[in-house]
Amino acid sequence: DTGVSQDPRHKITKRGQNVTFRCDPISEHNRLYWYRQTLGQGPEFLTYFQNEAQLEKSRLLSDRFSAERPKGSFSTLEIQRTEQGDSAMYLCASSSQFGALNTEAFFGQGTRLTVV
Amino acid sequence: AQTVTQSQPEMSVQEAETVTLSCTYDTSESDYYLFWYKQPPSRQMILVIRQEAYKQQNATENRFSVNFQKAAKSFSLKISDSQLGDAAMYFCAYRRGWGQGGSEKLVFGKGTKLTVNP
Repeated sequence: DTGVSQDPRHKITKRGQNVTFRCDPISEHNRLYWYRQTLGQGPEFLTYFQNEAQLEKSRLLSDRFSAERPKGSFSTLEIQRTEQGDSAMYLCASSSQFGALNTEAFFGQGTRLTVV
Repeated sequence: AQTVTQSQPEMSVQEAETVTLSCTYDTSESDYYLFWYKQPPSRQMILVIRQEAYKQQNATENRFSVNFQKAAKSFSLKISDSQLGDAAMYFCAYRRGWGQGGSEKLVFGKGTKLTVNP
């Protein structure tokens, strides 16, 4: 396992278009997180999955954003009707918590979204 | 809500010297963890060091050590014998303790850009 993988690495889209990003976590990790990072800022939490269940969403996640994690494996983050303010780096992280066996979050390299 | 503040947007250090990055945080929780993450220009966030709030002893990882002042809610990172590869954005982060419920998401500061001069 080579770590958390995100695809694509870069995406340029026109305002109003829909985009979808994919995250493949470390295979044995049951928790998956999405964060958004704008220029000059630290990452901000968007949403969290434990296995296939989406358990928490930030109020930053507007109605135009939706995330899924079917079968508790990979996850997708879709943004509908993109706006220029959506331009950011979207980071995925995974971790595990099984009883006493816990790991900290491992991050992917991110997807850089530019809305023009 | 928990907040993390990094008051130094940029820092620089000479190669082989020591540098300290500052971080303060605010929380009403008693069980939590604090982290320093490194984000090199390639953008993948890497965990540098972790501190459990219940531990009085400061964490160390090779050239990296922290000064954890729980009462002052301060958590600084010291990098000794700085190397060119240490150049990166450094983020201080907070997470609630395991088993408290919720996502245990990370709350990040805005980061400090560290430049290492040869």
